[in-house]
Amino acid sequence: QKEVEQNSGPLSVPEGAIASLNCTYSDRGSQSFFWYRQYSGKSPELIMSIYSNGDKEDGRFTAQLNKASQYVSLLIRDSQPSDSATYLCAVSWGAQKLVFGQGTRLTINP
Amino acid sequence: GAVVSQHPSRVICKSGTSVKIECRSLDFQATTMFWYRQFPKKSLMLMATSNEGSKATYEQGVEKDKFLINHASLTLSTLTVTSAHPEDSSFYICSARPASWNTGELFFGEGSRLTVL
Repeated sequence: QKEVEQNSGPLSVPEGAIASLNCTYSDRGSQSFFWYRQYSGKSPELIMSIYSNGDKEDGRFTAQLNKASQYVSLLIRDSQPSDSATYLCAVSWGAQKLVFGQGTRLTINP
Repeated sequence: GAVVSQHPSRVICKSGTSVKIECRSLDFQATTMFWYRQFPKKSLMLMATSNEGSKATYEQGVEKDKFLINHASLTLSTLTVTSAHPEDSSFYICSARPASWNTGELFFGEGSRLTVL
């Protein structure tokens, strides 16, 4: 059984600080890793993808992947109230289905 | 990114009726689409994989006669909830990726919120 684990939170971060979201996965054969953002009542929106070890930066977002530790994280710099949402970690194997973690609810406090 | 459209966004029906939800890829062809279900404050659970021109693949515990999936073209998949009951009330979300892509990312439709009275 392929599993993806996240801390469900809630995680509260003051505005302007760095929010750090973590995810672990069970299958060493995992190849692709994604972070989705989901606002309440809406469908998920892809914000980051990462495929190889190391860091990948896109604006205020940085994804970090460590395949040896089976760990992927998302950092959000200069957090804004509009970043308040549930963040879903997802893992796939090739072009197969995505398996999602349970999501971390993030609240940015003004 | 690729655009996936889902319709209707909200539907309310009486217990015992059937409801059809459509999922369309607007600017790409998708040989495979995925149907997810999400309960309040829970994560997305994959229900089934819709395959163009062939039968859908259902996840363990999902009743194929209850949730009928048809993928008649490269841009359209439909999910029909048959004989709906209140426990079927949920947020149903479809997703797809371009057929030519070999990476894993999926693009999601807007979701359909089903309420069964």
